[in-house]
Amino acid sequence: QKEVEQDPGPLSVPEGAIVSLNCTYSNSAFQYFMWYRQYSRKGPELLMYTYSSGNKEDGRFTAQVDKSSKYISLFIRDSQPSDSATYLCAMRLNTGNQFYFGTGTSLTVIP
Amino acid sequence: DAGVTQSPTHLIKTRGQHVTLRCSPISGHKSVSWYQQVLGQGPQFIFQYYEKEERGRGNFPDRFSARQFPNYSSELNVNALLLGDSALYLCASAGEGKDTQYFGPGTRLTVL
Repeated sequence: QKEVEQDPGPLSVPEGAIVSLNCTYSNSAFQYFMWYRQYSRKGPELLMYTYSSGNKEDGRFTAQVDKSSKYISLFIRDSQPSDSATYLCAMRLNTGNQFYFGTGTSLTVIP
Repeated sequence: DAGVTQSPTHLIKTRGQHVTLRCSPISGHKSVSWYQQVLGQGPQFIFQYYEKEERGRGNFPDRFSARQFPNYSSELNVNALLLGDSALYLCASAGEGKDTQYFGPGTRLTVL
C-alpha cells in the first residue's frame, strides 16, 4: 500500500466550477500537509501548506485536513483555464524533511 | 530573489554513462533535497542535505550519490545509467526552521 493515495484523474470541469481534489494517507504520524501545482514539464509550485488538522483559505483555494479520517482536500472556487495543471498532495512527518507525494491529479478547466 | 535554479535543463545520455546534475537553493536556504519524478508519477525522495551533511536517503541504489558545497549548492550524481533513470530530477530547498520546500524547474534526463 502506498503511503499517499491520490486519484490521478484526469478531471475536466467547465470554467467557474468548484473543483475538489483529494488524497488519503496511511501513516497517522504525518503532521504537515501541502498542495503543489505542477504545469507540464515544470517543477512543482507550492500552493497551500497546513499543519495538523483544520482548514486554510487563500484566495480561491481552500485546504482541509481531517487527520481522524487520514484525508486531505483542496478546493478551488471559480476555476479558471489557468488552473489547468497537475495537482500534487504532499505530506511529511514531524521530524525529518522527506516529503511523501501522491501521484498527482490532472485537472483541465474548459473555457 | 531568485528561486531554486537547476542545470542543465535537459540532458540526453546513453546507458552506462554517468551524469551530474546541479542545484542552487534559494538564497539563505541551507537544506537541499533531490527528487526523481517519473512521467505520470509524483516525486520520489532521493536525498536530503543540510549544512553539507546527508540527513536523509530514499530507496535508491548506490549508483545515486550527492553532495552539498559550502555555498549550499548541491550536485546529484548518477553512475551506470539505466533506461529507467529517465525522469525529471527535481531539487528543493528549505529555510532553517521552515516546514516546507520550494522546488526548482527540474532537469529532464533521457537515457537512450
